[in-house]
Formats: sequence, structure tokens, C-alpha cells
Amino acid sequence: DTEVTQTPKHLVMGMTNKKSLKCEQHMGHRAMYWYKQKAKKPPELMFVYSYEKLSINESVPSRFSPECPNSSLLNLHLHALQPEDSALYLCASSHGNTEGSYEQYFGPGTRLTVT
Amino acid sequence: AQKITQTQPGMFVQEKEAVTLDCTYDTSDQSYGLFWYKQPSSGEMIFLIYQGSYDEQNATEGRYSLNFQKARKSANLVISASQLGDSAMYFCAMRGAYGGSQGNLIFGKGTKLSVKP
Repeated sequence: DTEVTQTPKHLVMGMTNKKSLKCEQHMGHRAMYWYKQKAKKPPELMFVYSYEKLSINESVPSRFSPECPNSSLLNLHLHALQPEDSALYLCASSHGNTEGSYEQYFGPGTRLTVT
Repeated sequence: AQKITQTQPGMFVQEKEAVTLDCTYDTSDQSYGLFWYKQPSSGEMIFLIYQGSYDEQNATEGRYSLNFQKARKSANLVISASQLGDSAMYFCAMRGAYGGSQGNLIFGKGTKLSVKP
């Protein structure tokens, strides 16, 4: 099973709202990632969790707050977003402790619109 | 600095024909990995194929093969017998500077492939 699930699929929120994106995988992967993708652009890395610890933060504004409650779950908490934050948010996971390709498996994404 | 270049913004191919999507890369690392992903209009990034820098043979996965030319720093994707369902955006990617098992991916700008019936 190479499935990564993300909820919700679509989200519309106002600039004063607080919402959360959720990501789940059951492949035993120990690295999980958040990417942001604007229309017609490649994904851009936001955060990396390795063994449930935040290991990479690509200078993301504090209005995005990641959380990894356990090895299967990854959340992205959103607060006071701006319209330019509207994008597709992709979650991915990969093996965290083996040599080899450790390709990343992506979820279907959450399409976020900030009004 | 690491960089991935995809020079074809869009490509057309006739159904059942083969197509090559170009990818060149730049890195000073001796050990690196190259990936191809497919992204349909639905948004999900689908892993297609991987090539390690020390792999002597070109990677193949079903109808997908990777034409790896290390000296030229190119990693082109070849899709044989194109199908209508192959219409999508295709991204070439490289394991990023953080490396290791928690490495990020650096993506090219992508090539939009359209398969004509």
C-alpha cells in the first residue's frame, strides 16, 4: 500500500480563520513532508519531519505551523493566512532509515483558497 | 548549487507512439538520485521512476524508462506506447542539498504532455 491520504480535499478560509490540514500514511515511513504548489509551478518544500522531529523548515512564515503527533500523522495548522497563500498543499512521506532511492510518495493534496 | 532544467514547457504525442521528455541537472555531488513524477490535473504527484548516480543500467518501470547519460548530466524520461491517460504534467526531480534519508526534492519546472487520439 503506497497511499498517503490528505484531508480536506478543498478548503476555503478567511484571513482571520484557523484551520488545519491533515495527512496520514501507514507505510511505516519515518520522514514526512509538506510542499506548497502554486498553479503551473513545481512544488516547493516547506517542512520536513524525520522520526517525528522537525528537521527542516524552509523559512516558512509563522502563520503556518506544522505538527507531527505520531509517525503516521502530519498536520499543518493555518492561522491568519493571506490570499497569496492560496495554493495546492501536498503531503509526502518516505523511508527515513534506509539507503536507496527512498522515493517520496505524495498525497492527493489540499486545494486551499484564502479569501 | 543544485538545479534541474526541463526545457520543454509542452509536448504533444500521438497515441501509441513513444515520447521523450528532457531533463538536465547540475550538481557537484558524487552521489545523487534522480526521479520522475507525473501530476495529472487532479493534483496528486505520482512517482514513476528512479535512477541513482551509481546505477550502471538505465532504470525501467513498465512503459517508462530513464535514459541516463551521466557525462552529459541528462536523465530523460521515455514513455513507450503513449496512452490517453498519460496526459499530465511531468516533473523531473533530484534529491536536494539536505541529502540523506530525509532529503528534500528539487523539481524542474515541468513538461505538460498531451496525448492525441
